Amino acid sequence: DSGVTQTPKHLITATGQRVTLRCSPRSGDLSVYWYQQSLDQGLQFLIQYYNGEERAKGNILERFSAQQFPDLHSELNLSSLELGDSALYFCASRRGTFGGYGYTFGSGTRLTVV
Amino acid sequence: DAKTTQPNSMESNEEEPVHLPCNHSTISGTDYIHWYRQLPSQGPEYVIHGLTSNVNNRMASLAIAEDRKSSTLILHRATLRDAAVYYCTEANFGNEKLTFGTGTRLTIIP
Repeated sequence: DSGVTQTPKHLITATGQRVTLRCSPRSGDLSVYWYQQSLDQGLQFLIQYYNGEERAKGNILERFSAQQFPDLHSELNLSSLELGDSALYFCASRRGTFGGYGYTFGSGTRLTVV
Repeated sequence: DAKTTQPNSMESNEEEPVHLPCNHSTISGTDYIHWYRQLPSQGPEYVIHGLTSNVNNRMASLAIAEDRKSSTLILHRATLRDAAVYYCTEANFGNEKLTFGTGTRLTIIP
């Protein structure tokens, strides 16, 4: 157990639907990062939050959004789902923004869009 | 974005040391070098990180070249559980997202 909790572990949904993925960071970690991993794209950075504020954005589609709540857990919302959104979604957390802090990843949510 | 290059794959015999290389062509003076590994269907796992000096922990050692353009992850005695994809990447304050390349797929031969 890495200390980063992601739910659900598996999700199967139909095209056009909307889902919410949840991440609870390791205790005391203020930064949360979301990554998407598909077979053909590898690990792609989506978005980062630090202490409730959006801090960096990567290749995140407009259909996707995220937020970090006061208790520091984060949710990634995926809407108007397409077959190509099927992937593993990972959340990572770290203590702060200093480059010397390591990143702790959760075990991921496997999303299958049918 | 940080750009690192690694061999696509490597093989090593069980119980022998493994040296995994990484080139950091665009690294800046404040970038920390990070290494992670990923087993199938699992999230990436932190291995080690460093700035300039060589680093050791219970999992591995990290050797950083003097010009910091290359680094080497050293597994001192490979086991079958070390078979994974290994990623080197960089992070600093202000550019904290990790950019992952294709990594090196390490196969351990019993």
